[in-house]
Amino acid sequence: DADVTQTPRNRITKTGKRIMLECSQTKGHDRMYWYRQDPGLGLRLIYYSFDVKDINKGEISDGYSVSRQAQAKFSLSLESAIPNQTALYFCATSDDWEGAGYTFGSGTRLTVV
Amino acid sequence: QKEVEQNSGPLSVPEGAIASLNCTYSDQGSQSFFWYRQYSGKSPELIMFIYSNGDKEDGRFTAQLNKASQYVSLLIRDSQPSDSATYLCARKGYSGAGSYQLTFGKGTKLSVIP
Repeated sequence: DADVTQTPRNRITKTGKRIMLECSQTKGHDRMYWYRQDPGLGLRLIYYSFDVKDINKGEISDGYSVSRQAQAKFSLSLESAIPNQTALYFCATSDDWEGAGYTFGSGTRLTVV
Repeated sequence: QKEVEQNSGPLSVPEGAIASLNCTYSDQGSQSFFWYRQYSGKSPELIMFIYSNGDKEDGRFTAQLNKASQYVSLLIRDSQPSDSATYLCARKGYSGAGSYQLTFGKGTKLSVIP
């Protein structure tokens, strides 16, 4: 099984619908992150969490919300999806020391029509 | 101003050649640097990590760090078509409250021509 699992892998939804992307991890890491990736714009941080009681906005949090249900689970919601939220979404986890890199999930390709 | 800068490419090299990917950063407090490889439509995967000035080698990959000049590079020797991907440079810096975060560059697309 993958260390960081994202569901669904692909999703097509209509404008205005609420959608939730889920992420679970078996790494035992406290830190979890949600990114979106668009061609030419690179990875952009949406939200991050350093533990179950900690939620922080990233650079592009408008239109998104998150929930950290447990150490292993971090969900991203789009309350009312719009077409410009069409992107590839990645969840990532990390340990909390300086030399720790991020482990990414396999991604969710979201299309809003 | 973006903190981590990479040439978007594409960088094309013939099979068997050395591919040189470069990254500059603006934060002098940066501590550690990471190189990720990302195939199209796939997730980034960590290939190298460096935190000391100088070179670090791992197989065909060599990471080079020069903190005085604020650049980090990745060399890929004997490039193979399977190395064709986008390479992301990331710096890990102190973000306050005892925590560190990665800041990613936009990536350089590498194409290895058979």
